[in-house]
Amino acid sequence: DIQMTQSPSSLSASVGDSVTITCRASQGISNYLAWYRQKPGKVPEVLIFAASTLQSGVPSRFSGSGSGTDFTLTITSLQPEDVATYYCQKYDGAPLTFGGGTKVEIK
Amino acid sequence: EVQVVESGGGLVHPGGTLRLSCAGSGFTISKSAMSWVRQAPGKGLEWVSTISDSDSSTYYAKSVEGRFTISRDDSRTTLYLQMNGLRVEDTAIYYCAKVDGGSSWNWFESWGQGTLVTVSS
Repeated sequence: DIQMTQSPSSLSASVGDSVTITCRASQGISNYLAWYRQKPGKVPEVLIFAASTLQSGVPSRFSGSGSGTDFTLTITSLQPEDVATYYCQKYDGAPLTFGGGTKVEIK
Repeated sequence: EVQVVESGGGLVHPGGTLRLSCAGSGFTISKSAMSWVRQAPGKGLEWVSTISDSDSSTYYAKSVEGRFTISRDDSRTTLYLQMNGLRVEDTAIYYCAKVDGGSSWNWFESWGQGTLVTVSS
């Protein structure tokens, strides 16, 4: 089975900073990758699919890139409401594996 | 607006059974790929099972295969997860998620609020 490894597991940054989260697949998955945000106590919500396509309604400060095995989620100008845990997920077929998550906090 | 609402969670003893339900609105559940995803307390997300949109093929995580069964009642627009042989490690919030249309293998476009399953003696 393909494993999804996220890094870092947590980060702390100041409001206005740019932050980058990486996700690595143990085998190539083309661009079958989604990013989700889960705010504390809330339900996950999709931010990006097909590695780089922004879901409707998601602020443009979120962007995704990558293909094959290496992917990144970038938040430019971090906002207080971005405090959350972020997950990558491959969806090229079963099993649908999530990364371990990256907890983003405000410094 | 697409919405999914789970029900059926609760406290069950190890070895017990439970059936979760997921009601859909704003879309046709019989024509959609649907999944269950769980999250143990303080832990990350874990995919549990998917039922395809086309031919209702079913897929399971190795951790639940042989114990859990995903199904749907198309006439009632309801998705189910029958959970048998429950273990302490199955304790989690169980989310019902609608797969984005066009393929059984797409991202999860809509999630329910989740239902808590606690397996404990």
